[in-house]
Amino acid sequence: KQEVTQIPAALSVPEGENLVLNCSFTDSAIYNLQWFRQDPGKGLTSLLLIQSSQREQTSGRLNASLDKSSGRSTLYIAASQPGDSATYLCAVLDHGQNFVFGPGTRLSVLP
Amino acid sequence: EAQVTQNPRYLITVTGKKLTVTCSQNMNHEYMSWYRQDPGLGLRQIYYSMNVEVTDKGDVPEGYKVSRKEKRNFPLILESPSPNQTSLYFCASSRRQPSSGANVLTFGAGSRLTVL
Repeated sequence: KQEVTQIPAALSVPEGENLVLNCSFTDSAIYNLQWFRQDPGKGLTSLLLIQSSQREQTSGRLNASLDKSSGRSTLYIAASQPGDSATYLCAVLDHGQNFVFGPGTRLSVLP
Repeated sequence: EAQVTQNPRYLITVTGKKLTVTCSQNMNHEYMSWYRQDPGLGLRQIYYSMNVEVTDKGDVPEGYKVSRKEKRNFPLILESPSPNQTSLYFCASSRRQPSSGANVLTFGAGSRLTVL
């Protein structure tokens, strides 16, 4: 059964720092991996989707990479801002065509 | 606007009073899913559906029912709600195109349910 983990569980950084969030999955047979952002008590917003044939995707200050063979993805946030404070979740679409989520990383960016 | 719509957004009810949380999407998505989110437990899948008349249990299906009679709607039914079903519920949908992998999962805004 596919399992997804995220490290660290929580992260606090000063404004302006570059940071990396990690996502690991146990079964490399995935169709894609998606990163989401969730503000407290709110819904999930899709940030980036990486298909299994791709190595990375970029959107503004965000860059997500995928190493399928090692079961890992990273979300790189450049020049962090207080508005980036949120919980970030990754999810993989496995070959059962179901989405499996990680527990999330809670990010605080301090002014 | 392409979206997933959940109703009600907030509900307070009492133990045993049947309720339905509706979910509707306007993107012609085949895949739909229900999740609950609780502090410290993350996002847990309740039920999902690959297409009309096809539903499967997720990780925490006990106490819930679903139906998928038409493509756009995927209601979540609590036949006899109990306090341990107090939670934040999310519906989500996606296309099913495994060959392209472009299955972007889109979420509704969430329904906060309190069972007294």
